[in-house]
Amino acid sequence: NAGVTQTPKFRILKIGQSMTLQCTQDMNHNYMYWYRQDPGMGLKLIYYSVGAGITDKGEVPNGYNVSRSTTEDFPLRLELAAPSQTSVYFCASTPKGGRPQHFGDGTRLSIL
Amino acid sequence: AQSVSQHNHHVILSEAASLELGCNYSYGGTVNLFWYVQYPGQHLQLLLKYFSGDPLVKGIKGFEAEFIKSKFSFNLRKPSVQWSDTAEYFCAVTFPHGSSNTGKLIFGQGTTLQVKP
Repeated sequence: NAGVTQTPKFRILKIGQSMTLQCTQDMNHNYMYWYRQDPGMGLKLIYYSVGAGITDKGEVPNGYNVSRSTTEDFPLRLELAAPSQTSVYFCASTPKGGRPQHFGDGTRLSIL
Repeated sequence: AQSVSQHNHHVILSEAASLELGCNYSYGGTVNLFWYVQYPGQHLQLLLKYFSGDPLVKGIKGFEAEFIKSKFSFNLRKPSVQWSDTAEYFCAVTFPHGSSNTGKLIFGQGTTLQVKP
């Protein structure tokens, strides 16, 4: 099994551009999450999903959108990129709430 | 609001030194507790977890952690660190019970451990 796969690994965007960060998992996990990691801040939850068709905001959702049309995929969209969104983004999944999460390798995003 | 606090932001040790990283959480109910490690340039990996039972849990690579409910703490320990333990360590909490359990992890700020050879 590949686990949690994120693409791309690196990306540089200009201010105002949009892009989608892809996340897919092959473990049939119902729960999926998007985090951003900034130095000295730990990981902050952006959005999460407890199953296909269900999404909800986390701690820092502004400037982002998500969808969950299938169990496997949980893309994160930036509509109007801003320098404050420069960060490392991690996707994670778990079969059940409260259980350990499996993390992807991350996407390093720079907005200039 | 629930929160997780890691007291040490940056720790520098020599090889073979003992390690203890502090973690406290603020929540009065039952919690699940985790320590994750992030090696340079890699994703987070689970070191160990506590759900219930023996409050002293052992994880991978010789790490252990002790849950002290009265102190709301879950400190990570290792008797003798190695250069390869250089990494960032995150304490995290999630809440296991109830229909509203969404498995959201609340992370501490992280502790950067640097082990000198």
